[in-house]
Amino acid sequence: GAVVSQHPSRVICKSGTSVKIECRSLDFQATTMFWYRQFPKQSLMLMATSNEGSKATYEQGVEKDKFLINHASLTLSTLTVTSAHPEDSSFYICSASGGDEQFFGPGTRLTVL
Amino acid sequence: GESVGLHLPTLSVQEGDNSIINCAYSNSASDYFIWYKQESGKGPQFIIDIRSNMDKRQGQRVTVLLNKTVKHLSLQIAATQPGDSAVYFCAEKVLGTYKYIFGTGTRLKVLA
Repeated sequence: GAVVSQHPSRVICKSGTSVKIECRSLDFQATTMFWYRQFPKQSLMLMATSNEGSKATYEQGVEKDKFLINHASLTLSTLTVTSAHPEDSSFYICSASGGDEQFFGPGTRLTVL
Repeated sequence: GESVGLHLPTLSVQEGDNSIINCAYSNSASDYFIWYKQESGKGPQFIIDIRSNMDKRQGQRVTVLLNKTVKHLSLQIAATQPGDSAVYFCAEKVLGTYKYIFGTGTRLKVLA
């Protein structure tokens, strides 16, 4: 399958700061990427669909002004958690869409102090 | 809709035995189903998939069964090994979209 990377793999930040997470599709061009959040011992919850060259589509209950998504190229989508708070601490996972299949990144562990 | 659980159900099996992990999916319009394995601190790893026009699909040591009548999906792992210990999620893709809905997950523990 296709290879998707995320950077950073782990980040710790202070409350009130912003954090950017990158998701890269390394060996194919993805017009659509997805961002998920996973709390401990829970399932993956879709946050938003990132579309290259257009605005992201957010799932119900996800604040678009808090979780900024930019998909400026066919191989890169970024998620910026703005004014992070401890309750934003979670495992953030992206995927790149290859038609019906999604190829997942390794995840980014965010800890907000 | 999305499935979120407060805790993960656990399946414990003896090494060498067969494992069966079950999943109830939510949408009768889903046309594509996938099983993922997730190890601690890592992203989901693809195991096997099946389309809605099939009832069964086999891979290496794994078999997926789909029962559309009761919206049920199962993953069978033959001769379970210690390396199979992980959390297993089913996911469904809704017809007409590329979005996935994930199940609550099952933790598989392989006992030596």
